[in-house]
Amino acid sequence: SQKIEQNSEALNIQEGKTATLTCNYTNYSPAYLQWYRQDPGRGPVFLLLIRENEKEKRKERLKVTFDTTLKQSLFHITASQPADSATYLCAVNTGNQFYFGTGTSLTVIP
Amino acid sequence: GAVVSQHPSRVICKSGTSVKIECRSLDFQATTMFWYRQFPKQSLMLMATSNEGSKATYEQGVEKDKFLINHASLTLSTLTVTSAHPEDSSFYICSARGLDSSSGANVLTFGAGSRLTVL
Repeated sequence: SQKIEQNSEALNIQEGKTATLTCNYTNYSPAYLQWYRQDPGRGPVFLLLIRENEKEKRKERLKVTFDTTLKQSLFHITASQPADSATYLCAVNTGNQFYFGTGTSLTVIP
Repeated sequence: GAVVSQHPSRVICKSGTSVKIECRSLDFQATTMFWYRQFPKQSLMLMATSNEGSKATYEQGVEKDKFLINHASLTLSTLTVTSAHPEDSSFYICSARGLDSSSGANVLTFGAGSRLTVL
């Protein structure tokens, strides 16, 4: 069966540290892997994507890696801030469809 | 940037009644919209893909007759939960597919979601 799993349900880190979130998928061959942020009671917001032929992508304090052999993407937030606290979702984009992972709730402690 | 407006944000209804949720793309045309359902602390579950001018494509296990989707124009898709029951209580979120300007790839722009409570 097709699965998208994110490493942990919840992650707590100290302000200023780097948060690393993991996304693993099985039985997909995605053209893109995307990351979204979701705040409580709101819809997700697109952050960053990486193509299957890219190893790494950066945007300000965000970095995404993509290993199609391991079927894994890592999402890093450097110099984390309390305002980064939210749930982060990875999504596999295959053709017209988007399928989401289980999400990781990140809390950055001041 | 692209904006998707979803209404109502919250709705409470009695068991057996029907509820309509609207999803509008405000500054772009959305030929394809997606409807998701989300339970507390769980991920988004794709319910159906809504295509303008044609029938929606439902995911396995989603009842077509219960969750009616209409995509009559390029800017509006509606989800009607018919004969709602308490187990239909959930957070429903719509999204429209658009282009990310920097990569040219398809990405999703989401509405704010609709919290449905069926008494």
